[in-house]
Amino acid sequence: GNSVTQMEGPVTLSEEAFLTINCTYTATGYPSLFWYVQYPGEGLQLLLKATKADDKGSNKGFEATYRKETTSFHLEKGSVQVSDSAVYFCALSKGGGNKLTFGTGTQLKVEL
Amino acid sequence: GAGVSQSPSNKVTEKGKDVELRCDPISGHTALYWYRQSLGQGLEFLIYFQGNSAPDKSGLPSDRFSAERTGGSVSTLTIQRTQQEDSAVYLCASSLVGGESYEQYFGPGTRLTVT
Repeated sequence: GNSVTQMEGPVTLSEEAFLTINCTYTATGYPSLFWYVQYPGEGLQLLLKATKADDKGSNKGFEATYRKETTSFHLEKGSVQVSDSAVYFCALSKGGGNKLTFGTGTQLKVEL
Repeated sequence: GAGVSQSPSNKVTEKGKDVELRCDPISGHTALYWYRQSLGQGLEFLIYFQGNSAPDKSGLPSDRFSAERTGGSVSTLTIQRTQQEDSAVYLCASSLVGGESYEQYFGPGTRLTVT
């Protein structure tokens, strides 16, 4: 079946540091890939997505590139801010009405 | 505009009792999803409704779980004879249509604690 593996947290960074959160997936064919973010006290919200190989999703300074050859969708940001502190979830969907399969989530803490 | 709302926000129940969790999707959204977020299992899909089609129940963990969606809008997730392992945050999401091009909007969740 489909699955998503992402790096365990928490990840603690200083403000303006470079961020990478690794995500790899297992699925047949070409799933769509997503990053969702859950800020403290708020609901899950879509951060970015990519629907085909080599696509790059981007939003709020975050980027992720759909790599079919490595089955990866790593999340990156060049300079994190304290306000980026949240839990980040990598997810995929493969047909069937866009039912999402999530990774376990990675907590990011950004300190001054 | 109004987002997805869920009620109650917190529910504490005794083992063996039945509970009902409610989801109000965004108006006009034809697709509705239920997910569960628990410490042991992470975030997992439970059930999906699309318009008047038969729901996709492939994620329901046991026959104690059921859901309905009345009039293509409000949905209720019912857990019968609750067990401690049912303790989790239950999330509802809706989208304009069920498809990868359409963003799912999540509600704040209902935290269920079974004692």
